[in-house]
Amino acid sequence: RKEVEQDPGPFNVPEGATVAFNCTYSNSASQSFFWYRQDCRKEPKLLMSVYSSGNEDGRFTAQLNRASQYISLLIRDSKLSDSATYLCVVPPTSGTYKYIFGTGTRLKVLA
Amino acid sequence: GAGVSQSPRYKVAKRGQDVALRCDPISGHVSLFWYQQALGQGPEFLTYFQNEAQLDKSGLPSDRFFAERPEGSVSTLKIQRTQQEDSAVYLCASSPWEQGKQLFFGSGTQLSVL
Repeated sequence: RKEVEQDPGPFNVPEGATVAFNCTYSNSASQSFFWYRQDCRKEPKLLMSVYSSGNEDGRFTAQLNRASQYISLLIRDSKLSDSATYLCVVPPTSGTYKYIFGTGTRLKVLA
Repeated sequence: GAGVSQSPRYKVAKRGQDVALRCDPISGHVSLFWYQQALGQGPEFLTYFQNEAQLDKSGLPSDRFFAERPEGSVSTLKIQRTQQEDSAVYLCASSPWEQGKQLFFGSGTQLSVL
């Protein structure tokens, strides 16, 4: 099993739709997670942190399911500007240093 | 500036040439990472520095890749005898001391090896 797995998409949704992405991780010791957003030919930028059961920021909600080892990102009322690739990131656990990135899920919001 | 700065933004090299990519992290950030990102893929870890110490270089693909951060600030990633498979975007990221904090990325260097 890969350390971090994401559905690459693309997800094509109309404006105003609700869309959800999942990310599964293999290390049960992982306690916190990040969702990063990456626009085409740009660097990744932090979207949300997930430290416990979940986090909500406006139209964006991230949830963590420790039992099943996945995190999800829900985007409500999609905007054209939400079109990007969403990267799931697992920070290092004790004794390790590397942040592990998923392949990313591509979202395209259509007018 | 306040962000992570990388140069050059684009680099074209002939196969077999050596290249050097520079990263200037956010001032005061102890941790510095190099990642390689191929088209359509997520960033892949290359190496990690804590101040000037290279604590993890497990992601470097071969001994042609070398990174340094001699004074605990600016870092250079060097690739010797470049090959076509080295073509990718090389991203540098820095982070404050605390483990698990968010990474701040530079704009990356897009390397094309012809």
